[in-house]
Amino acid sequence: GQNIDQPTEMTATEGAIVQINCTYQTSGFNGLFWYQQHAGEAPTFLSYNVLDGLEEKGRFSSFLSRSKGYSYLLLKELQMKDSASYLCAVRDLRNDYKLSFGAGTTVTVRA
Amino acid sequence: DTGVSQDPRHKITKRGQNVTFRCDPISEHNRLYWYRQTLGQGPEFLTYFQNEAQLEKSRLLSDRFSAERPKGSFSTLEIQRTEQGDSAMYLCASSLVLGTGETQYFGPGTRLLVL
Repeated sequence: GQNIDQPTEMTATEGAIVQINCTYQTSGFNGLFWYQQHAGEAPTFLSYNVLDGLEEKGRFSSFLSRSKGYSYLLLKELQMKDSASYLCAVRDLRNDYKLSFGAGTTVTVRA
Repeated sequence: DTGVSQDPRHKITKRGQNVTFRCDPISEHNRLYWYRQTLGQGPEFLTYFQNEAQLEKSRLLSDRFSAERPKGSFSTLEIQRTEQGDSAMYLCASSLVLGTGETQYFGPGTRLLVL
């Protein structure tokens, strides 16, 4: 199975940078996903990492280190609309490539 | 294409009643997943289909739960004899599996409240 850990809550100021860490343990790692979920809404896909390194997409970047079982999602130039839950999910080839999700990190952006 | 859709968006029912939810995936997607999500938790896998074949059911899915995808397009999730513990958001996701790569896209969810 997978153990996926991420902080429960984070608070930051508008315009600042926040880094959300995710650690995982899996027997057949085959990719890590980050999703954004606003309250009462469905998760929306943000990023995907399968190789080590940094993937940048505008204000959002995601990093992966497979040897450390570690990823982070970096949110830059925070905006109020970035207040949401951020879900880390791991795909396991020994689990037929299904996703296992962490509990999510609730980010609150303050003015 | 407007993405994954789910119906209804909200459902309130009394304990013991049966409910059925529908999911329409993105049209060319061959995989369809059902998840359950409770407050403060990530989505938990329930079951999934590759085309019309149901490949796996989580042990979370009791005998009161059944899912179908009769023509490999839309899917239904039925809960019989609902219990208060079934109250949750039920999410559907679809993906196109090519080799070992896929990204799941979620629908808006059906929020179930069992009184």
